[in-house]
Amino acid sequence: QITLTESGPTLVKPAQTLTLTCTFSGFSLITDEVGVGWIRQSPGKALEWLALIYWHDEKRYTPSLQSRLTIVKDTSKNQVVLTMANMDPMDTGTYYCAHRPGGFSPFDYWGQGTLVTVSS
Amino acid sequence: IQLTQSPSSLSASVGDRVTITCRASQGIYSSLAWYQQKPGKAPRLLIYDASTLQSGVPSRFSGSGSGTDFTLTIGSLQPEDFATYYCQQLNSYPLPFGPGTKLHIK
Repeated sequence: QITLTESGPTLVKPAQTLTLTCTFSGFSLITDEVGVGWIRQSPGKALEWLALIYWHDEKRYTPSLQSRLTIVKDTSKNQVVLTMANMDPMDTGTYYCAHRPGGFSPFDYWGQGTLVTVSS
Repeated sequence: IQLTQSPSSLSASVGDRVTITCRASQGIYSSLAWYQQKPGKAPRLLIYDASTLQSGVPSRFSGSGSGTDFTLTIGSLQPEDFATYYCQQLNSYPLPFGPGTKLHIK
């Protein structure tokens, strides 16, 4: 059974760097084609795909935020970490991590999400 | 690639048949997924490859389309179907979601 759980701070100050951790079970990030992605949702707004990392360490980012995002994996801990620099109140929202089986597949398993508020 | 959805909101009654449309700004073959999201919950995958039903999803949900135009149809609305629905293109990066369609009870 695949599960994913997001963790990190609930409150960050403007200009700080956010670090979120996705801890997963039920699959391995050394399996061919598997990926883990991050998606966020500002309050009352649509879903926004942020980043994705694959089993072979290929990384993809949404262009509008690429300069602020870094995604890395720790296969020994079954974790994926997303950092977002220079946080702004507009970055307030719920951040989800999700499993992607590979190829052109969708995100089939999601974490419950973690709410991050950016405020001084 | 940008995605648009119509309508942005929809009021319907239990038992109604509803259709939601997703349009891509360029062709994406059949690389489209549909998700359902209820308030305070993570999205749930309903359909992928435009028309393949995810395991465990009721058969009243169906998808169709290819290229730039796609539809999600709910055959007979049930009370638990009132939610927001998003499409997502998976053909090339980035992987945007549509703006969503909120389905209200009439």
